[in-house]
Amino acid sequence: GAGVSQSPRYKVAKRGQDVALRCDPISGHVSLFWYQQALGQGPEFLTYFQNEAQLDKSGLPSDRFFAERPEGSVSTLKIQRTQQEDSAVYLCASSLAVRGGRGTDTQYFGPGTRLTVL
Amino acid sequence: AQTVTQSQPEMSVQEAETVTLSCTYDTSESDYYLFWYKQPPSRQMILVIRQEAYKQQNATENRFSVNFQKAAKSFSLKISDSQLGDAAMYFCAYRSGANFGNEKLTFGTGTRLTIIP
Repeated sequence: GAGVSQSPRYKVAKRGQDVALRCDPISGHVSLFWYQQALGQGPEFLTYFQNEAQLDKSGLPSDRFFAERPEGSVSTLKIQRTQQEDSAVYLCASSLAVRGGRGTDTQYFGPGTRLTVL
Repeated sequence: AQTVTQSQPEMSVQEAETVTLSCTYDTSESDYYLFWYKQPPSRQMILVIRQEAYKQQNATENRFSVNFQKAAKSFSLKISDSQLGDAAMYFCAYRSGANFGNEKLTFGTGTRLTIIP
């Protein structure tokens, strides 16, 4: 079966432009996460969805960042008025998350989208 | 807030030898999970091994094993019989066991492992 896919793989934006990053999780996975990975750093949590509900957005760095998962499958991370500090790799991960299901919390990651803001 | 520390930015090992990557963490919780993830240059993060904090037995997965010292809050990864394909960034990660469903991970800064042929 297909893994987590993300598009585009690379995105170059001029400062001030809006961007949209897409994540296709593994089919049937309930939980979906977005992480931001700056160069040379570990990923940092941005936001979390359980089906279509965004249950945690505590990691979003500013109100320029917005994420949605309207039908509980595909998710989009949108960044408005991009700034140079937004340059990073954006990782999406999904998990099955079945209560009582051992190991179903394992997160499967996509290849990421490398965003460069000029 | 939980923190994860990886004090070795880079490590290298001869092919077929054994290497240990260090990780320490700070938490006030008693229920949690620890993970090692591997990130090759292709960027796709892959789970290597996981450890439940309530288990005293150290997890093993083929050539990969951990040394989990709960009191010391230490979680090191041992790779035996190192292979060229093991070359990657390795991240230690923590997840709280408190909230089912929101399994957000807290990562360390990573250790870059080089395998010397």
